[in-house]
Parts: sequence; C-alpha cells; structure tokens
Amino acid sequence: QSALTQPASVSGSPGQSITISCTGTSSDFGDDEHVSWYQQYPGKAPKLMIYDVNKRPSGISNRFSGSKSGNTASLTISGLQAEDEADYYCCSFRDSTTRLFGGGTKLTVL
Amino acid sequence: EVQLLESGGALVQPGESLRLSCAASGFTFTDYDMTWVRQGPGKGLEWVSVISTYGGTTHYADSVKGRFTISRDNSKSTLYLHMSSLRAEDTAVYFCANSNFLPGDHWGQGTLVTVSS
Repeated sequence: QSALTQPASVSGSPGQSITISCTGTSSDFGDDEHVSWYQQYPGKAPKLMIYDVNKRPSGISNRFSGSKSGNTASLTISGLQAEDEADYYCCSFRDSTTRLFGGGTKLTVL
Repeated sequence: EVQLLESGGALVQPGESLRLSCAASGFTFTDYDMTWVRQGPGKGLEWVSVISTYGGTTHYADSVKGRFTISRDNSKSTLYLHMSSLRAEDTAVYFCANSNFLPGDHWGQGTLVTVSS
C-alpha cells in the first residue's frame, strides 16, 4: 500500500497562509467523506486537526481548514504562528479494509 | 480526562513475538473502534490495524497481515496487538488511538518496539 503523496516540506512567514496537499489515486480516497489531518511535534503523539475532510475537533483553531477536490485533499493554515511549526500528515479511508497515511510534510515557520 | 496508555514495548530478536497493550480511561471504550499506528525511526506514520467496537471485525495493513493480531477486552477497556515473526522493519513506536473510520482524537504516547539481533 503506497502512501499518499505530500510535499516533503513547506514554509511560510508568520501571518501568512500555507496549503499542504495530499494526492492519491481515485482508489486511495475510497469515498469523498473521510480524510483526516494530524499535527505532530517531534517525540510526541499525533494530534487530530481536521476530520471528515473539513471538520475541526473541539478546541482546534479555525486557522486550520481542510478541503478536497478530486484526488487531492488540502490542509490550509492561515495566520501562521511559530507554534504551527510541526509535521503534518493526511490520512484517508481507502476502502472498507484499509487506511492510508501520507508521507508527511514538515512545516517551517520562517 | 481521556487517557490511552500503551505498554509492552521491548527489544526483541528477529522472529520473536511480543504483545502490546493499550489501557483506556476517561471515555466509553465501547463507543469506538480502536486502531494501532506505528512510526519507524525518522519515518512517517503507518496505519497498522483496526478493530471494531466489540471485536467482530479486524483489518490489517498488508505489511503485517498474517503476523499481527489485534484484539480488545472491553471488560478491561484494553486494546492489544500481538506481534509474531517480528522483523527489523517492524522497529517503530507503536501508538494506539480511537477510531471513527480514521484515527481519531485520542492517542496514547506510544511504546517503542526494537527488533534487532
């Protein structure tokens, strides 16, 4: 099972917006409803930031938003802050049996 | 407070077996499917396995199918991962998490499994 494709790194200055893409095949995104995004700091557990493509769990800043078009899902972070510097992973529900993570994107806040 | 506490990680030799545990508290364990996710040293996240609320349905990544078995004891609010025929490439931090189709908002801190001779 190949990972979903994410850029290895993205960067932005404080206050700017960045978008991280997550690309797969039509079979990787088993349906249009189930894509999640996770934030992970070094040595820490992942944290759910977006689920069901564009929904935010309680307590997650509205600076984080998700979308999906065709075979590409996207995470947008607006008003970048230093604390947003972390690794980000997408995940999809490939079919009734398989879940798939992206390779991860390192976000650097300049 | 929601807690997921993994345990059982160790240094083992190739071919050996190991059982990981994940003790849950602070939420209704039977409300959720549960999942294992691993992360090799310096690598990204890899989904490993998922089990339905009462254990009737399980699924595995191709990389562990036939070697790993996921199970749960709802009376103890505990999730397990029995790993056999371990390989060097199974070396990773193993995280447990709740799951609603995909890994959710409750994660443990992880337990390290090292497979080396």
